Amino acid sequence: DVKVTQSSRYLVKRTGEKVFLECVQDMDHENMFWYRQDPGLGLRLIYFSYDVKMKEKGDIPEGYSVSREKKERFSLILESASTNQTSMYLCASSFELASLAKNIQYFGAGTRLSVL
Amino acid sequence: QQQVKQSPQSLIVQKGGISIINCAYENTAFDYFPWYQQFPGKGPALLIAIRPDVSEKKEGRFTISFNKSAKQFSLHIMDSQPGDSATYFCAASMEETSGSRLTFGEGTQLTVNP
Repeated sequence: DVKVTQSSRYLVKRTGEKVFLECVQDMDHENMFWYRQDPGLGLRLIYFSYDVKMKEKGDIPEGYSVSREKKERFSLILESASTNQTSMYLCASSFELASLAKNIQYFGAGTRLSVL
Repeated sequence: QQQVKQSPQSLIVQKGGISIINCAYENTAFDYFPWYQQFPGKGPALLIAIRPDVSEKKEGRFTISFNKSAKQFSLHIMDSQPGDSATYFCAASMEETSGSRLTFGEGTQLTVNP
């Protein structure tokens, strides 16, 4: 079974703190993604990476950065957390050759972040 | 700008009924349309997907209907069961782009009453 593991289920941070959200996958997937999930807004892509040390902005990258030093690990960084970043954060991974592997994204269980 | 619009936001159905969730997209370059299912406390998981060369795909009680000219697709859940209660997301992608990123709809919270 594919496993995408997010390091924390719940996090509470203060405004202005630097926050790291970690994600690890065990399927040797090339692609990794970070989304935030908010009621009524669906899943919105923050950043994604299709290779080690490669990253591309998604739809809502402002206030976030990412790091991918190893193939299996993709980190989301909030440089200075703000209250409007309170949300559920979801990590996902998939194979690069999407058309051969049916373009399936495998998601972690999510990290619920509260910024006070 | 939401490129994939999903409705309704919430849906309540009686056990045994048909659940219908609709999505519309704008970008004609999209060529892959999956549906994801999310249970409380879990991440979304692929339920069923369709490519635009067919108008319908069925897997068990779940069917995707696809209308390319109208740029719309829908999920039908036949004989809905309480265990189907979950949040459903439609999505779309252009598979030739790097990472094959998905654009998701807003989500539909389905409740199936016993």
